[in-house]
Amino acid sequence: AQTVTQSQPEMSVQEAETVTLSCTYDTSESDYYLFWYKQPPSRQMILVIRQEAYKQQNATENRFSVNFQKAAKSFSLKISDSQLGDAAMYFCAYRSTVVVVNYGGSQGNLIFGKGTKLSVKP
Amino acid sequence: NAGVMQNPRHLVRRRGQEARLRCSPMKGHSHVYWYRQLPEEGLKFMVYLQKENIIDESGMPKERFSAEFPKEGPSILRIQQVVRGDSAAYFCASSPLAGNIGYGYTFGSGTRLTVV
Repeated sequence: AQTVTQSQPEMSVQEAETVTLSCTYDTSESDYYLFWYKQPPSRQMILVIRQEAYKQQNATENRFSVNFQKAAKSFSLKISDSQLGDAAMYFCAYRSTVVVVNYGGSQGNLIFGKGTKLSVKP
Repeated sequence: NAGVMQNPRHLVRRRGQEARLRCSPMKGHSHVYWYRQLPEEGLKFMVYLQKENIIDESGMPKERFSAEFPKEGPSILRIQQVVRGDSAAYFCASSPLAGNIGYGYTFGSGTRLTVV
């Protein structure tokens, strides 16, 4: 079974600085998807960035980028020019590409890490 | 285009009562997933449904929990005879028809269930 580990329960960054959140995962599959979700106090789960395992190029979305190391099974999130609105819980998630053939087909569910609470200091 | 709608946002139940959580997926989405988030934890998969079918319920507790997604109307997660350990945030997510599995799907804002 796949597992996702976030070893940093809490992180803090100064406004305008850069911070990196760590994520490692365990899988025997060669093809899969990885995601970072943000959960602010409103509780809404917001997709920040996604990475396809078969792509070597690291995904980037504005101030957010990832460092995907497939051999090391590492998927860290870098937030540049941190803003106060970046303060939230951040969850790393894994999704298998294995499709279970059933009525109408099936998609793998997301496997989440326990999260990292990011604080941004003004 | 409304997102995934969950209600109620907060639900308080006494031990032994029933809790009903509702989820309306995004327009055009036919797949619904339910996740549970315990305090200080990440989300844990519970059940995956399509219209009138349960596809994967491997994350559902064997007793007291059930889910449905009828042909008409929202998906319902039902918890019978609630206990304090059921207190959590319950999230619903939806995605389009099968094939786009790289899509991280869209979550609702969750229902926070408190059992007193």
